Amino acid sequence: AQTVTQSQPEMSVQEAETVTLSCTYDTSESDYYLFWYKQPPSRQMILVIRQEAYKQQNATENRFSVNFQKAAKSFSLKISDSQLGDAAMYFCAYRKGGFGAGGTSYGKLTFGQGTILTVHP
Amino acid sequence: GAVVSQHPSWVICKSGTSVKIECRSLDFQATTMFWYRQFPKQSLMLMATSNEGSKATYEQGVEKDKFLINHASLTLSTLTVTSAHPEDSSFYICSARKYTQYFGPGTRLTVL
Repeated sequence: AQTVTQSQPEMSVQEAETVTLSCTYDTSESDYYLFWYKQPPSRQMILVIRQEAYKQQNATENRFSVNFQKAAKSFSLKISDSQLGDAAMYFCAYRKGGFGAGGTSYGKLTFGQGTILTVHP
Repeated sequence: GAVVSQHPSWVICKSGTSVKIECRSLDFQATTMFWYRQFPKQSLMLMATSNEGSKATYEQGVEKDKFLINHASLTLSTLTVTSAHPEDSSFYICSARKYTQYFGPGTRLTVL
């Protein structure tokens, strides 16, 4: 079974600084996707960034970038120029790849424990 | 973008009653929807996968008879908590799959 581990229950950063959130995962699959989701106090889950395992290039979305180390099964999220609005709980997630028939549990996400990020002004 | 709605956003009910939560994909068709449960400051726990036109697939440890899931159309899935008890109080989140998963805003259930 796939597992996702976030070893940092809480992190803090000063506004405008950079912070890195850690995530490791375990899988025997070669085709999979990794995600970072943000859950602000409203509790609405928001997709931050997505990485396909077959792509060597690290994904980037504006101030958010990942360091994807496939051999080490590591997938960290770097937030640059942190803003007060970045304060939230961040979840790393894994999904098996492929194009299944859509039945049973195809496409389900496995989440890490989450990291609460505090941004200090 | 892909929008998923949930109704109600919060509900309070008495112990022993049943509560229905709706999950709708507003601008796309979703053959698969997922139901999660989340306790404060904890991760999302997948309860079941809902497939349009077929029975839901429940995760191990989730009571099928307590958490009834119906995926009646390509845009609607419902979760009914039957004979609710205080321990069922939680935050329930649905998501709908369109290439990736899009999440609803969640429903806070409080059972008195």
